[in-house]
Amino acid sequence: ETGVTQSPTHLIKTRGQQVTLRCSSQSGHNTVSWYQQALGQGPQFIFQYYREEENGRGNFPPRFSGLQFPNYSSELNVNALELDDSALYLCASSLRPLALIYEQYFGPGTRLTVT
Amino acid sequence: ILNVEQSPQSLHVQEGDSTNFTCSFPSSNFYALHWYRWETAKSPEALFVMTLNGDEKKKGRISATLNTKEGYSYLYIKGSQPEDSATYLCARPTQGGSEKLVFGKGTKLTVNP
Repeated sequence: ETGVTQSPTHLIKTRGQQVTLRCSSQSGHNTVSWYQQALGQGPQFIFQYYREEENGRGNFPPRFSGLQFPNYSSELNVNALELDDSALYLCASSLRPLALIYEQYFGPGTRLTVT
Repeated sequence: ILNVEQSPQSLHVQEGDSTNFTCSFPSSNFYALHWYRWETAKSPEALFVMTLNGDEKKKGRISATLNTKEGYSYLYIKGSQPEDSATYLCARPTQGGSEKLVFGKGTKLTVNP
């Protein structure tokens, strides 16, 4: 059983650019959630994908968008990057609806720096 | 707005000490509380998912208790070891049965040898 993986590990972008971050779910999981962890904060929920559809969104602007693919891997896209987008981006996978309590399994994150 | 608070923000203890820290959350519409352990440069690792008032869970030297009526959970580490050094995060779902979690800022534990 493979765990959750994310790529790239680190990324440096310039303000105004666009970025795509990738996540491979744990084997057998059908739900992916994305979180942003800014410095000194806990992870904040961005959005979730279940069976390729967005299934809930946190308080993030539309320039944060995502995709989930048939193999349940996922992308997070951020357009028009701002300095405040500098953060660690975590993805987490889970299996629903079989699990009553949805345990999530996290990847190691992608560190995005916007200059 | 669902706020999850953790205290203290950071903690330094000596090897062999026992320690504990707190997670506070709104008690209304409670469904579950998650504890995660996050070592630097690794993935957050699930420790416990707690659902029932009075629940107590244990994993080796780490245990947690839950009080849903007053809205708090304690995490205890008995006989801390340097490998326990990590940030401990707690999180509550935004709504019942949801895996959309609201996290606290974490407690950073450093265990000195």
